[in-house]
Amino acid sequence: AQKITQTQPGMFVQEKEAVTLDCTYDTSDQSYGLFWYKQPSSGEMIFLIYQGSYDEQNATEGRYSLNFQKARKSANLVISASQLGDSAMYFCAMREGEGGYNKLIFGAGTRLAVHP
Amino acid sequence: EAGVTQFPSHSVIEKGQTVTLRCDPISGHDNLYWYRRVMGKEIKFLLHFVKESKQDESGMPNNRFLAERTGGTYSTLKVQPAELEDSGVYFCASSRERLAGISYNEQFFGPGTRLTVL
Repeated sequence: AQKITQTQPGMFVQEKEAVTLDCTYDTSDQSYGLFWYKQPSSGEMIFLIYQGSYDEQNATEGRYSLNFQKARKSANLVISASQLGDSAMYFCAMREGEGGYNKLIFGAGTRLAVHP
Repeated sequence: EAGVTQFPSHSVIEKGQTVTLRCDPISGHDNLYWYRRVMGKEIKFLLHFVKESKQDESGMPNNRFLAERTGGTYSTLKVQPAELEDSGVYFCASSRERLAGISYNEQFFGPGTRLTVL
């Protein structure tokens, strides 16, 4: 069965430091995609970054990068130079198969607190 | 461009009552998804519309839940009669038709409707 595991219910980091949020996944598909979403206290889900299973390079978007280790089935999110506004819930999600029509499977989330 | 909107933001009802949640996707997005997060658990897929057709409703928990998307624009999710275990946050997301050469199709989420059943 397809599954996303986020083992860190909560994390904290000092402002301006880097933090890694863990995500492991399980799938039998060869083609899949991995997403990270941020949910601040206001409730909306904000897309951060995407990694395709066939992408050779790790995805990067500004201060966000995805440490994709396919053999270990992990897709950890790295946030560099943390800011107070990064305090939020972070969800790792997986889309199976090709195409843009597939449902997302989510992990339980990690709550990140950035301290000044 | 307006984002995905959901109404109401909060709803408190008693067990046995009916509640209807509404989602307005981003204009032009053919794909519309409903998800639910029950307290402390993962966000779970409920169903997926492509325009007005149900593409995948494998996540609908039971026949007390009815989703519609008449005309392929906004969608409603009705819970009738509501039970205590239906409490949670209901998210709606939309995405455009996948374009050739684009490797992924981002789903844009609404702010969610927090449903409390007493």
